[in-house]
Amino acid sequence: QVQLQQWGAGVVKPSETLSLTCVVYGASLSGNYWTWVRQSPGKGLEWIGEIKHSGGTNYNSSLKSRATLSIDTSKNQFSLNLTSVTAADTAVYFCARVSFETSGGRLNFWFDPWGQGTPVTVSS
Amino acid sequence: DIVMTQSPATLSVSPGERVTLSCRTSQTIGSNLAWYQQKPGQAPRLLIYGASSRATGVPARFSGSGSGTDFALTISSLRTEDFAVYYCHQYNNWPRLATFGQGTKLEIK
Repeated sequence: QVQLQQWGAGVVKPSETLSLTCVVYGASLSGNYWTWVRQSPGKGLEWIGEIKHSGGTNYNSSLKSRATLSIDTSKNQFSLNLTSVTAADTAVYFCARVSFETSGGRLNFWFDPWGQGTPVTVSS
Repeated sequence: DIVMTQSPATLSVSPGERVTLSCRTSQTIGSNLAWYQQKPGQAPRLLIYGASSRATGVPARFSGSGSGTDFALTISSLRTEDFAVYYCHQYNNWPRLATFGQGTKLEIK
């Protein structure tokens, strides 16, 4: 059974960097994309970005290049850094695995499993 | 960007009832749609992927349907543990961008 466990600072000061890590149990990082999603009352569920075991990344452009994802295959974990945080970055942050299938010549994607979530508050 | 619109925002129902939740997308996405259930303080739980395939361990009372721009999640007979918020989700292959609906909250009547 694949499980994701995440951790990181729960309070970050404005203008500083939010850092979170997600370790994967029961599966190798190889062959999948791994992703971060955040949830705030004002914006619902928002996709942050994804990283492949090779280090390739894709990001949500709405974060204006503040997000950086990295991967450490030796520890079977991946991480999120979000720079220059403001109160708008206050949210619960989730990591997850990206899965996909080919159906009718098209790709279907979904996120499963998810980490337990880390509440992050931006406050001085 | 693809916009996901779920309806209704809130649904008050009684245990044992059959309910159908709706999700519409602003562009056609084939069957590239997933449904999640989220309870307070928990991460979203995958229910349906590929618009109609049940995830491992999901009870048969949950079913998904639709393709293109109109999708539905049906719960055939509500149990008390089903009262939660439900989200639809699509993940565009290129450019890579995932979007979620705003959620439908099932409340006990």
